[in-house]
Parts: sequence; structure tokens; C-alpha cells
Amino acid sequence: ETGVTQSPTHLIKTRGQQVTLRCSSQSGHNTVSWYQQALGQGPQFIFQYYREEENGRGNFPPRFSGLQFPNYSSELNVNALELDDSALYLCASSLLFRETYNEQFFGPGTRLTVL
Amino acid sequence: DAKTTQPNSMESNEEEPVHLPCNHSTISGTDYIHWYRQLPSQGPEYVIHGLTSNVNNRMASLAIAEDRKSSTLILHRATLRDAAVYYCILLNNAGNMLTFGGGTRLMVKP
Repeated sequence: ETGVTQSPTHLIKTRGQQVTLRCSSQSGHNTVSWYQQALGQGPQFIFQYYREEENGRGNFPPRFSGLQFPNYSSELNVNALELDDSALYLCASSLLFRETYNEQFFGPGTRLTVL
Repeated sequence: DAKTTQPNSMESNEEEPVHLPCNHSTISGTDYIHWYRQLPSQGPEYVIHGLTSNVNNRMASLAIAEDRKSSTLILHRATLRDAAVYYCILLNNAGNMLTFGGGTRLMVKP
């Protein structure tokens, strides 16, 4: 069984650019969530996708957007990068079944640095 | 959303039990208590969750107060590998958004 994988591991961008981060869910999972973790803080929920549709969103502006594909992999896109977007971006997959919560499995994250 | 309060840090000796407290005085009847931990340079990992009764699994035990306003994560024999930040999170059964607070940084001394 393959766990959650993310790419790339590290990324450096400049202010104003756009970035796409990728996540492959754990086999059998139908839900993917994205989190932003600034240095020294706990992760903050960005949004979740279920069956290719957004299924909940945290307090993040619209320049943070996402996609989920039929194979349940996912992308996080961030437009017009700001310095404060520098953080570890975590992807987590889980199985949503009959509205019952199941544990989320996290990937190792992508470290984004905005200069 | 109901919030949780945890100590910023705790220390333990290797092979001794560790009790990590969490206060959640505004918990609602449908909130489950979840614990995740984050090892250095890794994503968080699920530890345990419960509603009212105490729970045990291979990683830890969760003791829930009778009034559910507090809970304690118990690591029965701490190892160096248990050094991590431990997060106590409240979540509705159908909830999908993990709200992480600051967590407790556990340091394990050999």
C-alpha cells in the first residue's frame, strides 16, 4: 500500500508568481485535504476535495485553488504569491464513507519559499 | 468551533509513562476528541480518537473525563521516537476540517 506522496519536496518562487503543488492520495481514499503550516505553528486547513468537488474551505483567499482528479490525486494552485505564503504545504487523504470521519493520512509536505 | 488548550511543552524520561493533558471546556455533544502528532520534518500522523469512553490502541490510550471537558493522551512507555508535537483536536463526526492549535511539544530524555 503506497502512502501519500507530494511533489516537489522544495520549491523557491518569487513574489507575484504562480505555483502548483501535487499530491497523490493513499490507495482507496476518496478525499484529499490541503493544509498550510507556517514555521513554528500548527497546520491551517485550506480546503478539502471529495469526488472532484470542493467539500469545505478554510479562511484562505480565492487565489488558493485546487483540483482533484478521477484517480483522487490533487493539485494546489496559488496565484500571485506573497511573502507570507512561504510555508510547508501538507496534503492529507482519507476515506469519507457515509459521512463518517476516518483518520487523515498526511504526506511529507512541500516546502515553499517565496522571495 | 470549540477550542482546546494544551501546555506548550512537556518533558519525559525514556521508558516512563507520559500523560499529555488537553482542556476542551466548550466541547459539544457531537464533538469527537482526536489526537495527532507531528514528528520532526514529517507530516502529522493520527494517534487516537474517542467520544466518551476511554480508548486504547497500539500507539496510546485516551482517557476522557466524565464531563468530557478534558482528556489525557497516555503514552505508556515513552521512547525517543515519541518526541514530537502532539495536537488535541475536536471534530464533529461528519467534520472534515482539522483545526490544529499550538500543540504540546514533547521532549524525551534518554
